[in-house]
Amino acid sequence: GAGVSQSPSNKVTEKGKDVELRCDPISGHTALYWYRQSLGQGLEFLIYFQGNSAPDKSGLPSDRFSAERTGGSVSTLTIQRTQQEDSAVYLCASSLVSGYEQYFGPGTRLTVT
Amino acid sequence: RKEVEQDPGPFNVPEGATVAFNCTYSNSASQSFFWYRQDCRKEPKLLMSVYSSGNEDGRFTAQLNRASQYISLLIRDSKLSDSATYLCVVPLADNYGQNFVFGPGTRLSVLP
Repeated sequence: GAGVSQSPSNKVTEKGKDVELRCDPISGHTALYWYRQSLGQGLEFLIYFQGNSAPDKSGLPSDRFSAERTGGSVSTLTIQRTQQEDSAVYLCASSLVSGYEQYFGPGTRLTVT
Repeated sequence: RKEVEQDPGPFNVPEGATVAFNCTYSNSASQSFFWYRQDCRKEPKLLMSVYSSGNEDGRFTAQLNRASQYISLLIRDSKLSDSATYLCVVPLADNYGQNFVFGPGTRLSVLP
């Protein structure tokens, strides 16, 4: 079946602009996670959604970052007023239920110039 | 103590060698564990799930020691294609459900 998809695959933006990154999880998966990974670094947790419950936002680095998940499916990660340090690969993953195997999308490579 | 720690690596081994990585975790309540592999500039891919004392899949064996709170990954007869970073992942229950804690990864290079 279809895996996790993310769009765009690459995004170049100017410092100060807002960006939206999209994630389509595997159909039927109730849990959705966002991570970011800078070059040569480990995964940094950002936020996760479990069903219709309030999301765990504890990993968001600043109030410029927000995410929503509509209808328990597609999720959008928004970064406002982008900074150069936001440049990274943003990865989305979904799992049937939180705590079970996660499956990752290919990521969105964000470059802030 | 960090929640998930892994052998720092890198491990450079010849083709055909057997190599083992260790991962230690701090939360004794964790019930399931996962190993992922990540190739350079790619997303992590699930390699193996561990729900009981261990799991075996072909050349790969994962063993869990709950008393000592560590999980190991053994790779036998290493192939060039096994070169990757191996991530140990431990779910952690919180107020929202179960989050995942990723270890920093252990890099493996299999040399011809």
